[in-house]
Amino acid sequence: DAGITQSPRHKVTETGTPVTLRCHQTENHRYMYWYRQDPGHGLRLIHYSYGVKDTDKGEVSDGYSVSRSKTEDFLLTLESATSSQTSVYFCAIGAGPNTGELFFGEGSRLTVL
Amino acid sequence: KNQVEQSPQSLIILEGKNCTLQCNYTVSPFSNLRWYKQDTGRGPVSLTIMTFSENTKSNGRYTATLDADTKQSSLHITASQLSDSASYICVVNMGGATNKLIFGTGTLLAVQP
Repeated sequence: DAGITQSPRHKVTETGTPVTLRCHQTENHRYMYWYRQDPGHGLRLIHYSYGVKDTDKGEVSDGYSVSRSKTEDFLLTLESATSSQTSVYFCAIGAGPNTGELFFGEGSRLTVL
Repeated sequence: KNQVEQSPQSLIILEGKNCTLQCNYTVSPFSNLRWYKQDTGRGPVSLTIMTFSENTKSNGRYTATLDADTKQSSLHITASQLSDSASYICVVNMGGATNKLIFGTGTLLAVQP
């Protein structure tokens, strides 16, 4: 398995509270991604990073921010969680987008009450 | 609209039987297509990649096909095992400047003894 660790793996929080999910890799891959997975939807890209301090928005970025201060860490922050952000969040890494191969973490299940 | 549609949504088969999962896409441009396997509670793992010029590719008991003219791909599983129970996700890479990935919603396969 690719060296990707997500934390926390499970979190329950209340509407309006800030939440930060962490993704840590030991593969030294340049690209890191945050996706959310919901029933009836394919995996949807929230934000991605193509290097330290280099990030860009995905298709569902509203309400989320990210930061990457080191190659190995990519943080996803929900500034003020809403119930619509209840989901399973997956971090993924890749050497480059050309092949499209991503290596996914185990997922973080977030419930916003 | 760039879309990836998979069928069936879910499938139940008996152990030892074969099955075929379908993926139809309306994505342009097209660079490659991947099939991922996602076990329950885990992140997706790449099974195989198909490029424009490839028709068939095997990975053990998994055989993927691609018809770029009709924009269809299939994943055939031979002699199914209980461990094949998972969601199978078709992902199309648009390539070009964006290398945007379009995810299908997956086919949930249950293999029963």
